[in-house]
Amino acid sequence: AQSVTQPDIHITVSEGASLELRCNYSYGATPYLFWYVQSPGQGLQLLLKYFSGDTLVQGIKGFEAEFKRSQSSFNLRKPSVHWSDAAEYFCALNDYKLSFGAGTTVTVRA
Amino acid sequence: ETGVTQTPRHLVMGMTNKKSLKCEQHLGHNAMYWYKQSAKKPLELMFVYNFKEQTENNSVPSRFSPECPNSSHLFLHLHTLQPEDSALYLCASSQETSAIGPASGEQFFGPGTRLTVL
Repeated sequence: AQSVTQPDIHITVSEGASLELRCNYSYGATPYLFWYVQSPGQGLQLLLKYFSGDTLVQGIKGFEAEFKRSQSSFNLRKPSVHWSDAAEYFCALNDYKLSFGAGTTVTVRA
Repeated sequence: ETGVTQTPRHLVMGMTNKKSLKCEQHLGHNAMYWYKQSAKKPLELMFVYNFKEQTENNSVPSRFSPECPNSSHLFLHLHTLQPEDSALYLCASSQETSAIGPASGEQFFGPGTRLTVL
């Protein structure tokens, strides 16, 4: 069965610093992978997705993610964090249905 | 209205009440979903409607009853809920290429209904 693990429950980062959120998956074939962001009181917004091809994927709001099959990972990165990036981030895998990780809460300090 | 809308945004109900959550998508999609989001737990898929047919019921208790009258509207009827059903209920939609087989479309989410069961 497929599963998604986000090892970090909470990350605090300074504004302007870089951010990396980890995502590991378990799946028998090439997965469809997604990163979503949820701001307080809001639904989930898609940041980026990987279906196939180039393993470095660019998304909205300056985010990127790299698919590494050998490590079963799909980590999300941003070079310079803005205060508005404070939110909860979810990694998800799609095979017939979306399976989500438990999420990582990002706090941005001034 | 654009995207996926949900009403009400907040709902407080007693265990003996009957209420309904409404979701409407303005994206022309053909698949709709209900998710439950509880604190400190991954999102749980509850129901999937693909081309207006229910294709997934993820072992959801019968006190939750979905209804999909057309491809734009999705309801979740609630009755005799328990306090542990308090959560954020999210609706999503996607465009699928087939009525059967894996769902692979990008899902668009509504803002959710915050449900509190007293």
